[in-house]
Amino acid sequence: AQSVTQLDSQVPVFEEAPVELRCNYSSSVSVYLFWYVQYPNQGLQLLLKYLSGSTLVKGINGFEAEFNKSQTSFHLRKPSVHISDTAEYFCAVINTGGFKTIFGAGTRLFVKA
Amino acid sequence: DTGVSQNPRHKITKRGQNVTFRCDPISEHNRLYWYRQTLGQGPEFLTYFQNEAQLEKSRLLSDRFSAERPKGSFSTLEIQRTEQGDSAMYLCASSLGQARETQYFGPGTRLLVL
Repeated sequence: AQSVTQLDSQVPVFEEAPVELRCNYSSSVSVYLFWYVQYPNQGLQLLLKYLSGSTLVKGINGFEAEFNKSQTSFHLRKPSVHISDTAEYFCAVINTGGFKTIFGAGTRLFVKA
Repeated sequence: DTGVSQNPRHKITKRGQNVTFRCDPISEHNRLYWYRQTLGQGPEFLTYFQNEAQLEKSRLLSDRFSAERPKGSFSTLEIQRTEQGDSAMYLCASSLGQARETQYFGPGTRLLVL
């Protein structure tokens, strides 16, 4: 069985500051890792995903994430946030041979002017 | 490609009534998922279809819940004898046929049981 822990439920940050949203996972088998974003009153959309290869993954809107197998982490980063990045961010894992996706509880990023 | 659509977007019902939600996936996607999301939580897996076959059903899904995907196209999720605890956002997602594929989510159906 897999589990996902997002260590911060809310992250307030000023515009143009860097941000890191933390995600740790637990799994006894190989997994794929995803970050999804949910803007207010919209459906979830993919930011980025790690499948294999380079541990640094770049996504849309200037976000990137680094897969760390030894620490079982997949933290999301952005060097300079905008007001428009205010949203809920979800980390998710799926067994490489499976279909059941496990989501974390989410981190609400609030960007202040 | 019009994306994943869900209907209705909002549903208010009285306890004990039956409700049915519909999901229309992206046309070439053979995987279809249903999730439930409550306030302050991430989506929780409910069930999964590969084409028309329902391959997995979460323990979260009591016998009052049933899902179908006739002909491997649209899907319906029915809740019988609704309870106040069923109040949540019900999300549908679709993807191509492998775990590595991105899931595309619909806007959700928000259910309120009075």
